[in-house]
Amino acid sequence: AQSVTQLGSHVSVSEGALVLLRCNYSSSVPPYLFWYVQYPNQGLQLLLKYTSAATLVKGINGFEAEFKKSETSFHLTKPSAHMSDAAEYFCAVSLGGKLIFGQGTELSVKP
Amino acid sequence: EPEVTQTPSHQVTQMGQEVILRCVPISNHLYFYWYRQILGQKVEFLVSFYNNEISEKSEIFDDQFSVERPDGSNFTLKIRSTKLEDSAMYFCATYSSGLDNEQFFGPGTRLTVL
Repeated sequence: AQSVTQLGSHVSVSEGALVLLRCNYSSSVPPYLFWYVQYPNQGLQLLLKYTSAATLVKGINGFEAEFKKSETSFHLTKPSAHMSDAAEYFCAVSLGGKLIFGQGTELSVKP
Repeated sequence: EPEVTQTPSHQVTQMGQEVILRCVPISNHLYFYWYRQILGQKVEFLVSFYNNEISEKSEIFDDQFSVERPDGSNFTLKIRSTKLEDSAMYFCATYSSGLDNEQFFGPGTRLTVL
């Protein structure tokens, strides 16, 4: 069965520091993988997606993620955190159309 | 840019009452989904809908839940007799085949059952 694990329910970084949010997946077939961001009291916004083209995927707001099949990982990074990046981030894998989400990682950015 | 809309944004109801949550999908999308997010928890799949019928449902989607597309535009989720544990954020998502399984999410309806 496909599943997603996000390591760290809460990550705190200083403004300007590297952001690294971890996601590992399990899938019996080549996966479609997604990162969504949820700002307080809002819906889910797609940050980026992996669909078996390039392994390094660039998304919105300066985020990117690298698909590593050998590690079954799809970690999300951003070189320099901004205060506006504070939000909940969800990794998801597509299974027959539906999305299976990880537990989410809350990102805090300190000034 | 086309977007998924949901109404109402917030619904408060008494336990045992029926609620209907509404979603207007993006016009050329064919696949429709409902997800639920209990406060502080992850987003969970409820049901998928294609070609006017349910294609898949989760264990959460029991007999109290139903979905339909009554008029070819709205996509609704009905909870027949709400329970306290139904309090959650409900998201509608839609998808058009050929877009790499990318689902577009609505802003959600916050359901509070008292």
